[in-house]
Amino acid sequence: AQTVTQSQPEMSVQEAETVTLSCTYDTSESDYYLFWYKQPPSRQMILVIRQEAYKQQNATENRFSVNFQKAAKSFSLKISDSQLGDAAMYFCAYGGGADGLTFGKGTHLIIQP
Amino acid sequence: NAGVTQTPKFQVLKTGQSMTLQCAQDMNHEYMSWYRQDPGMGLRLIHYSVGAGITDQGEVPNGYNVSRSTTEDFPLRLLSAAPSQTSVYFCASRRRFQETQYFGPGTRLLVL
Repeated sequence: AQTVTQSQPEMSVQEAETVTLSCTYDTSESDYYLFWYKQPPSRQMILVIRQEAYKQQNATENRFSVNFQKAAKSFSLKISDSQLGDAAMYFCAYGGGADGLTFGKGTHLIIQP
Repeated sequence: NAGVTQTPKFQVLKTGQSMTLQCAQDMNHEYMSWYRQDPGMGLRLIHYSVGAGITDQGEVPNGYNVSRSTTEDFPLRLLSAAPSQTSVYFCASRRRFQETQYFGPGTRLLVL
């Protein structure tokens, strides 16, 4: 079974600074997908960024980028120029087949004004 | 497109009662899933479906039933509610297994 580990229960960053959220995963598959989801207090799950394991290039979406290290099974999320609206729970998730996603326990991101 | 919709938004049940959580999507997605989210935990997969008439168990299926008679709908049934089923429930859908999942707004369930 796949597992996803987020080792930082909570992170705090000053507004406009850069923060990196960590995620490691365990799988024996070679073809899979990795995701970062944001969950604000409204509880809505919002896709932040996605990475296909077969792609060597790291995914980027505006201020959000990932550092995907396939051999190390590491998938960290970097948020640049942090904004107050970035405050939320962030979940790393693994998707490898027809069933659903496997989620980590989440990192609570606090943005200090 | 309404996307993925869930009803009700909030429900209180007594132990032993049954109920159905509704989920519908209007994106013609083949794959649908149910998750539960407990405090301090990520989402955990309850059941999933890869198409009408096809369902399978996820990580935490005990106490829940599902069926998929149409592409659009994927209801989750609690047969005899227990306090351990107090949670937030999310329904999600995607077009193919390798594509992004889209989530509904969630249903908060309290079992007394």
